[in-house]
Amino acid sequence: NAGVMQNPRHLVRRRGQEARLRCSPMKGHSHVYWYRQLPEEGLKFMVYLQKENIIDESGMPKERFSAEFPKEGPSILRIQQVVRGDSAAYFCASSPREGREVYEQYFGPGTRLTVT
Amino acid sequence: LAKTTQPISMDSYEGQEVNITCSHNNIATNDYITWYQQFPSQGPRFIIQGYKTKVTNEVASLFIPADRKSSTLSLPRVSLSDTAVYYCLVGEGGTYKYIFGTGTRLKVLA
Repeated sequence: NAGVMQNPRHLVRRRGQEARLRCSPMKGHSHVYWYRQLPEEGLKFMVYLQKENIIDESGMPKERFSAEFPKEGPSILRIQQVVRGDSAAYFCASSPREGREVYEQYFGPGTRLTVT
Repeated sequence: LAKTTQPISMDSYEGQEVNITCSHNNIATNDYITWYQQFPSQGPRFIIQGYKTKVTNEVASLFIPADRKSSTLSLPRVSLSDTAVYYCLVGEGGTYKYIFGTGTRLKVLA
C-alpha cells in the first residue's frame, strides 16, 4: 500500500508566480489535511478537506491560498502571486475516517517551496 | 485558542528512557492524542495514539492522566537514531482543526 505522495518534492518560484502543490492520499483515504512548516518552526494546520468539500480552512490565509480535493485526482494546494514569506515546507496528510474523531494522519514527504 | 506546549529540547544518552510531556489544555471530549517523530527534511512519522490511561506499542508508550490535559510520550532505551523532533497532535475542541505541539528536539548522545 503506497503511502501519501506529494509532488513536486521541491518547487522554486519567482515572486508573483503561482505554485501548485499536489497530494495523493493513501489508498482508501478520503480525508486530506494540509500543513505548513516554516523554516525552523513547527507544523501549522492550514485546511481539512474531504472529497469535493472543504471542511475547515481556518488555518489558511484568506488571500492567495486555495485548496481543493476533487472527486477524481489529487488534492491541490494553490498559492497565487507567491511572496518570499511563502517559502516553507508544505505537508499533506491523509486519514481514513471522519475528521471529528481523530485517527492517525499519515504524512507525505512534503513539498519544499522556495520563492526567489 | 488552544495551546499545545512541549519542552523545547532534551538531551539523553543511549539506553536511557526518555519521557516527553505535552500540555493540551483545550482538548475536546472525543479527541485523541497522537505523537509524531520528524527527521530533517522529512514528513512526520506516526509513533503512537491514545485517548486515556496508557497505550503501548512496539516503539513507545503513551500515558494520559484522567483529566487528559496533558500526555507523556515514553521512549524506552533510546538510541542515536532516535535523535529527532517529537510533536504531539490534538484536535482543537469544537472544531475540525488540529494543533501540533511546539515540538521537542531530542538529542541522543553516545
